[in-house]
Amino acid sequence: EADIYQTPRYLVIGTGKKITLECSQTMGHDKMYWYQQDPGMELHLIHYSYGVNSTEKGDLSSESTVSRIRTEHFPLTLESARPSHTSQYLCASSESGTGAYNEQFFGPGTRLTVL
Amino acid sequence: AQSVSQHNHHVILSEAASLELGCNYSYGGTVNLFWYVQYPGQHLQLLLKYFSGDPLVKGIKGFEAEFIKSKFSFNLRKPSVQWSDTAEYFCAVNSGTDKLIFGTGTRLQVFP
Repeated sequence: EADIYQTPRYLVIGTGKKITLECSQTMGHDKMYWYQQDPGMELHLIHYSYGVNSTEKGDLSSESTVSRIRTEHFPLTLESARPSHTSQYLCASSESGTGAYNEQFFGPGTRLTVL
Repeated sequence: AQSVSQHNHHVILSEAASLELGCNYSYGGTVNLFWYVQYPGQHLQLLLKYFSGDPLVKGIKGFEAEFIKSKFSFNLRKPSVQWSDTAEYFCAVNSGTDKLIFGTGTRLQVFP
C-alpha cells in the first residue's frame, strides 16, 4: 500500500546529541517536504526537495539539514540537538507538476523533545 | 508575504449542529486552496481542494467549502456534524508553487 512512513514517532533525547529523523514514501512521488509544527501553531516548511540530489531550504529557518540520495527517502538531521528544537516534524510528498498535482500527502509525524 | 488566517481556534459543538470554519488568505493572484484534517492519532489528510471552476467544492464525509474571491475566503462547512468529526482542521493556500502556506488550525470538538 502506498504510504509515507516516519520513524521514530516519538523521541526524547539530551542536548548536544546528533539525531536523524527518517522519512520514506512508497507513493512514487518526486517532491518531498519537511514541516515543523508547534502546538497551536501553523505548519512551517523547513526543507523541500524536487528529486534526487535536490534540496532547498523552506520559509522557516532551521538548523537541520536534509539529503535526498534516493527518491523514496528524505531524512532530516540535527547535528547537535537543543531544547529549542523541541517540536513536531511532519514529512510530506507530492507528485511533480503544478495545479492538481500540488496535493501533499503527509506522514504521521515525529514528536521530538530535547531535554 | 502570503498568510492564512483561521479565525476559530477552538470550536465546540453538539452532534447535528451545523459547522462553519473560517479561512482567509492574503494573496491577490491565482491560488489553490485546501482544507486538511487531522483526526486524533492519525496523519494529516486532505479533506477537499479548489483549483478552478465551481467555487463550491465538495469533499469527503459531507464537507464542503466555498471560494469567495472578493473576500479572499475559503470557509469550510458541514450541515450536521458527528462525533467522529472531532479533529483539527487546517486551511492551506499555494499560489501555483510547491509551497503550502498553512493556517494555525481549528480544533473541533463534537459532543454526543
